[in-house]
Amino acid sequence: DAEITQSPRHKITETGRQVTLACHQTWNHNNMFWYRQDLGHGLRLIHYSYGVQDTNKGEVSDGYSVSRSNTEDLPLTLESAASSQTSVYFCASSAAGNNEQFFGPGTRLTVL
Amino acid sequence: AQSVTQLDSQVPVFEEAPVELRCNYSSSVSVYLFWYVQYPNQGLQLLLKYLSGSTLVESINGFEAEFNKSQTSFHLRKPSVHISDTAEYFCAVSDDRDDKIIFGKGTRLHILP
Repeated sequence: DAEITQSPRHKITETGRQVTLACHQTWNHNNMFWYRQDLGHGLRLIHYSYGVQDTNKGEVSDGYSVSRSNTEDLPLTLESAASSQTSVYFCASSAAGNNEQFFGPGTRLTVL
Repeated sequence: AQSVTQLDSQVPVFEEAPVELRCNYSSSVSVYLFWYVQYPNQGLQLLLKYLSGSTLVESINGFEAEFNKSQTSFHLRKPSVHISDTAEYFCAVSDDRDDKIIFGKGTRLHILP
């Protein structure tokens, strides 16, 4: 069955370190999205991609970057982790022209 | 710009009682509307969606939502809740200009025994 996976599921890091969160989907979807979920804020869009080599900034992109070198993967990098980036991160994907998104299980990131 | 408002951050309800989770949206174009559910320690799953056609949409586990264009609402209802419905529910809006979805802040449904 097609699926979307995230790794690691839990990560503790220190302020200033670079961190990369992986997202891999086997749906063959063109669209991929990264969100962060925080209490009182719901889901906020960080970055998104509509295809290979395409990346776009979302609502809360500062301090984050993504790259899309193939259809299956959209890794999210925190260049220099900050305590304000402690959150739960969700990756999602959807087919082009279809607004229904499929979500991964999430990564809980703690920045100390 | 699109936006979604979920007026209630938490809704407590007794088991087997009816529930309504409210959602209002703003958009200047035709919309697609979604309800997603997030069970504890899990990702989001699509519960139901409105794309076009009948304004009343249903899920497989007894939830329903009605698209009301004049009131710009898409409230979620269930006539009798079960303990297994304990979760956070997110309303979301999109349109045909691009494939992004805008999410509300979520409503946490607490089922009381």
